[in-house]
Amino acid sequence: EVQLVESGGGSVQPGGSLRLSCAASGFTFSNYGMNWVRQAPGKGLEWVSYIDSSSSTLYYTDSVKGRFTISRDNAKNSLYLQMNSLRAEDTAVYYCARSPRAATGTSFDYWGQGALVTVSS
Amino acid sequence: QSVLTQPPSVSAAPGQKVTISCSGSSSNIGNNYVSWYRQLPGTAPKLLIYDNNKRPSGIPDRFSGSRSGTSATLGITGLQTGDEADYYCGAWDSSLSALGFGGGTKLTVL
Repeated sequence: EVQLVESGGGSVQPGGSLRLSCAASGFTFSNYGMNWVRQAPGKGLEWVSYIDSSSSTLYYTDSVKGRFTISRDNAKNSLYLQMNSLRAEDTAVYYCARSPRAATGTSFDYWGQGALVTVSS
Repeated sequence: QSVLTQPPSVSAAPGQKVTISCSGSSSNIGNNYVSWYRQLPGTAPKLLIYDNNKRPSGIPDRFSGSRSGTSATLGITGLQTGDEADYYCGAWDSSLSALGFGGGTKLTVL
């Protein structure tokens, strides 16, 4: 069974940092691209970042470029999101999500349960 | 402001059919594949449709997807009360080099 479990969420002051982790199991992690998607309270989905299976291709949404860094450790079956210079508007539930190999386009076939990040003074 | 445009809400009676539209541009829907997700309150989204019209294993054929030009449509037949949820479309945007989602559509089964 595919499982994605996020951790590392919490409360932080504006300008602070947090590192989210996503532990993957039930599939060959090193074969899949992975993503972070967030959802602000009461709002819609917002894609944040993508990393391919070998960490050679990275994408970010404009609002986090230069502040967030996506990475992965295939030996540990783990995905990470280092978030620096956090702002109030980064407050959201952060989901890690897998990109399916069967798809030609970009989609997300498995999602974690989410980790809440709250940025407030 | 979302890259893709969805109606905020739709409604239909149990057993009926409903369609949810998703409008974009040539840089996203017009030249890239569309996916659809359902999100029940307090839970993570679930993939319903990928590559415009393909269903993942386990998704019933009550759910269908189509794309025409710069718009896409999700169709749900045989509506059930359990289908009440928020529905999102998504597509890669080649101009932004980013994935865009629609703002979401709340489905009410009356």
